Amino acid sequence: NAGVTQTPKFQVLKTGQSMTLQCAQDMNHEYMSWYRQDPGMGLRLIHYSVGAGITDQGEVPNGYNVSRSTTEDFPLRLLSAAPSQTSVYFCASSLGGLYTEAFFGQGTRLTVV
Amino acid sequence: AQKITQTQPGMFVQEKEAVTLDCTYDTSDPSYGLFWYKQPSSGEMIFLIYQGSYDQQNATEGRYSLNFQKARKSANLVISASQLGDSAMYFCAMREDTNAGKSTFGDGTTLTVKP
Repeated sequence: NAGVTQTPKFQVLKTGQSMTLQCAQDMNHEYMSWYRQDPGMGLRLIHYSVGAGITDQGEVPNGYNVSRSTTEDFPLRLLSAAPSQTSVYFCASSLGGLYTEAFFGQGTRLTVV
Repeated sequence: AQKITQTQPGMFVQEKEAVTLDCTYDTSDPSYGLFWYKQPSSGEMIFLIYQGSYDQQNATEGRYSLNFQKARKSANLVISASQLGDSAMYFCAMREDTNAGKSTFGDGTTLTVKP
């Protein structure tokens, strides 16, 4: 039972490079989200999706793109990495509706130098 | 405006005692859900407990209970009989019916359980 799988677990990028953080879930969840967590702080929503083909911006979307072509996958693209994007990134999914908890991936620790 | 406020950056509790972690929220939506998650030092996020805005009774899950005071817009987490393994960061989160795909998290409270 894989749940939510994020890859990679660790990544170091140079300023200006681009990359994609992968997120896949095998629970047939409608809702998926990306968060970033900076040291000692809470989770801030980057982008979210309520179903295949539907995405929307969260609190801190600048510098990131998402797409949701399938129910299972929700990749996060960093267009041109900046040191301010150094953070831990979490992908989460939930069944849909108001009363369902989120299941989180293990996180990706990204460092931009 | 901050939708979820956790005013206690850090808390200490003696093993086997109870502790309350505070959470206040702000919404004009009459239908919403409140969640608590635990993040141990290993980094994963673990769901603990849920309370719906229309639930008449406070939620309980084992040693976790939620003290829900709707008029005060507070949803405090109570951990009874604290254990060393409860040392972690705890996050309060909310989902509103008008945009259920979007969850908002507080900044968290770091709980340390002393032996």
